[in-house]
Amino acid sequence: QVQLQESGPGLVKPSGTLSLTCAVSGASINTSNWWTWVRQPPGKGLEWIGEVYHSGSTDYNPSLKSRVLISVDKSKNYFSLRLTSLTAADTAVYFCARGFSGVGLNWFDLWGQGSLVIVSS
Amino acid sequence: SSELTQDPAVSVALGQTVRITCQGDGLRYYYASWYLQRPGQAPVLVIYDKHKRPSGISDRFSGSSSGNTASLTITGAQAEDEADFYCSSRDASGKHVVFGGGTKLTVL
Repeated sequence: QVQLQESGPGLVKPSGTLSLTCAVSGASINTSNWWTWVRQPPGKGLEWIGEVYHSGSTDYNPSLKSRVLISVDKSKNYFSLRLTSLTAADTAVYFCARGFSGVGLNWFDLWGQGSLVIVSS
Repeated sequence: SSELTQDPAVSVALGQTVRITCQGDGLRYYYASWYLQRPGQAPVLVIYDKHKRPSGISDRFSGSSSGNTASLTITGAQAEDEADFYCSSRDASGKHVVFGGGTKLTVL
């Protein structure tokens, strides 16, 4: 059974940096999937942050691109999110997900349980 | 536009049929995927590749698409279908994923 599990600090200071990891268990990260981060501010909708392929290739949400870095560690079978220059607007539940993308196709078939990150002093 | 537009809220009587729609330019190039999210839980994929259902998803859920509009239809809505529903696709460039704003479904 394939599972994704987010981990990282739940509280980060304004202007600081958020670092989260997503451990992939039950399957190799070295597959034809896009490993993805999605966030959801309290009471609001889903926002795509970005994605990484096992090769290290990435794509990011243009609105966050200047502050985001997503990377993959194939040896440890996890991928990571780094978000800098945090403000209260970055307070959200952060989900990792397994994505599939093809010609005219895109979906996320597996999600982590989510990790609440609060930006506050 | 790279956005996907959904009605914020929809209601349906128990046992009746409801359609949730999603509009956006990206849907001319990519089929929508649909997600159900209950409070405090992660989203769950219910429709992908236009009309396919993952294993374990009720056949009450079906998907369709035409032009720049995708639809999720729930036939014979049950109380447990009350949730937030999100559509998603890639934008026309294919480089970025977009989500709709979500539709809160109430089963009366």
